[in-house]
Amino acid sequence: DSGVTQTPKHLITATGQRVTLRCSPRSGDLSVYWYQQSLDQGLQFLIQYYNGEERAKGNILERFSAQQFPDLHSELNLSSLELGDSALYFCASSDYRGVNTEAFFGQGTRLTVV
Amino acid sequence: GENVEQHPSTLSVQEGDSAVIKCTYSDSASNYFPWYKQELGKRPQLIIDIRSNVGEKKDQRIAVTLNKTAKHFSLHITETQPEDSAVYFCAASGVYSGAGSYQLTFGKGTKLSVIP
Repeated sequence: DSGVTQTPKHLITATGQRVTLRCSPRSGDLSVYWYQQSLDQGLQFLIQYYNGEERAKGNILERFSAQQFPDLHSELNLSSLELGDSALYFCASSDYRGVNTEAFFGQGTRLTVV
Repeated sequence: GENVEQHPSTLSVQEGDSAVIKCTYSDSASNYFPWYKQELGKRPQLIIDIRSNVGEKKDQRIAVTLNKTAKHFSLHITETQPEDSAVYFCAASGVYSGAGSYQLTFGKGTKLSVIP
């Protein structure tokens, strides 16, 4: 158990819909990262938050957005869903305090858009 | 931003042989290079990491080497076992985006198959 919790584990929804994925980082970790992993694909960086502030953006679509709340949990919102958005979405957290350290991954949310 | 290239994309070895996976990165500001192992249907997990002030690091059958001048780093697995079969990801990290945070950019992964 990495200490990073993602909910839900599985999500099936229709095209055009909107979903919210939730991530609770390890206790004390201020940094949260979101990654998308499509079938047989690598880990595509979407967005990063640090202590409530957005710090970096990757290849995140305009239909996607995220936020990190005061209690440090994060949500990834996916809207106007398309079939191609079907993927495994990972959240990771790290205890970055000036020195790069290990990022711990949650178990992921498998999103299926039908 | 940072770009990480990883080769090969697939690798098959006989049990007991060695496996080598290579990565290159683009940004000289990167200073932390972790390797993650992802078994089928599971989350990526760190297996070894190296910082830019070190050229090599070993942990039992796993070793990582780093050449900062050439901007490449490699994962070496010796005496491979069937349970080493998984997808391995390299990553590069540095403080690109301001104080208090860093990015972690992954390679596309190498699917390692160890044949008994």
